[in-house]
Amino acid sequence: GENVEQHPSTLSVQEGDSAVIKCTYSDSASNYFPWYKQELGKRPQLIIDIRSNVGEKKDQRIAVTLNKTAKHFSLHITETQPEDSAVYFCAASSTGNQFYFGTGTSLTVIP
Amino acid sequence: DVKVTQSSRYLVKRTGEKVFLECVQDMDHENMFWYRQDPGLGLRLIYFSYDVKMKEKGDIPEGYSVSREKKERFSLILESASTNQTSMYLCASSLHGVETQYFGPGTRLLVL
Repeated sequence: GENVEQHPSTLSVQEGDSAVIKCTYSDSASNYFPWYKQELGKRPQLIIDIRSNVGEKKDQRIAVTLNKTAKHFSLHITETQPEDSAVYFCAASSTGNQFYFGTGTSLTVIP
Repeated sequence: DVKVTQSSRYLVKRTGEKVFLECVQDMDHENMFWYRQDPGLGLRLIYFSYDVKMKEKGDIPEGYSVSREKKERFSLILESASTNQTSMYLCASSLHGVETQYFGPGTRLLVL
């Protein structure tokens, strides 16, 4: 089955700096890669996703890049703000039903 | 706005008890999922269902069963709770053919 690895497990950045979280996957059949944000005590929520036919996608301060050859994808957050502090999960899917999640990155933005 | 609800936010049970966790979604989603979330392990899929009375095993189905008698409701059953099932349980749903999953608030289960 698919194996998704996520790094780093914790990340601290100064407000205004950029944050990058990286994930690798093993199954070349995976074609959909969402990112979820989970604030403390709240449910995970989708923040951005990318499909395998696209190399990069951007939504305001958030961007995701995908390198199919190397089987890795990354989340980039620019101009970080304290409200970006949360746990971020990457995931991969080849079926659109079964998702394999990374182990999560706890991001802290220091004011 | 999609709403996924779970029957309890916190639950304390004793070893050997039968435990029912319920999840309800109000958006007519075909797909429903049960995950457990543990520190350092992320979200792991226990079971999912893509239609009423249908179920598929996920990565860690041992010790669990599920029931989907109605489209909007997906139940996770711990037949005989054990301490290693202490965890946060998250339910999710999605529309068939659309990958976005909507999560419930989670149930934090403590098995003593």
